[in-house]
Amino acid sequence: AQSVTQLDSHVSVSEGTPVLLRCNYSSSYSPSLFWYVQHPNKGLQLLLKYTSAATLVKGINGFEAEFKKSETSFHLTKPSAHMSDAAEYFCAHSSGGSYIPTFGRGTSLIVHP
Amino acid sequence: NAGVTQTPKFQVLKTGQSMTLQCAQDMNHNSMYWYRQDPGMGLRLIYYSASEGTTDKGEVPNGYNVSRLNKREFSLRLESAAPSQTSVYFCASSESSRGQTQYFGPGTRLLVL
Repeated sequence: AQSVTQLDSHVSVSEGTPVLLRCNYSSSYSPSLFWYVQHPNKGLQLLLKYTSAATLVKGINGFEAEFKKSETSFHLTKPSAHMSDAAEYFCAHSSGGSYIPTFGRGTSLIVHP
Repeated sequence: NAGVTQTPKFQVLKTGQSMTLQCAQDMNHNSMYWYRQDPGMGLRLIYYSASEGTTDKGEVPNGYNVSRLNKREFSLRLESAAPSQTSVYFCASSESSRGQTQYFGPGTRLLVL
């Protein structure tokens, strides 16, 4: 069964510093990988997705993620955090075995002024 | 274009009461999903409907039933609510098949006393 591990439940950064949110997925053939963001009391919104095109994926609001097959990772980065980035972030994975995505447990990003 | 809408936004129930959560999408998507979100647990799939006329169990289906009323609407019913069903419920939709982005509704916050 496919699985997703978000390595940090909370990440705290200062405004203007880089952001790194880590995600590992279970090895699978032809994976699709997603990052979603959830602001307080809102639904999830897609940040970016990987579906076997370029390994470096650019998303909205300056976020990027790099697909590394050898490490089964899909970490989310942003060069400079903004206060408005404070939210819950979810990594999700689907593969040829099942098109239904499996979600990680989420990482809460805290941005300090 | 409203995307995915959910009603109600918030509900309080007593143990043993029943209720139906409504979800509708106006994107002509084939697939629809119901998730529950609990602190530290991420999103867990309750039921999904790959296409109109089909429904399947997800990871945590016990205590719930669903109806795919038509292509637009997918409802979730709690026949006899229990405190363990206190959660935030999200409906989502996608075009269909693998690697498709899911679009989420704003959620229903349910408290069972």
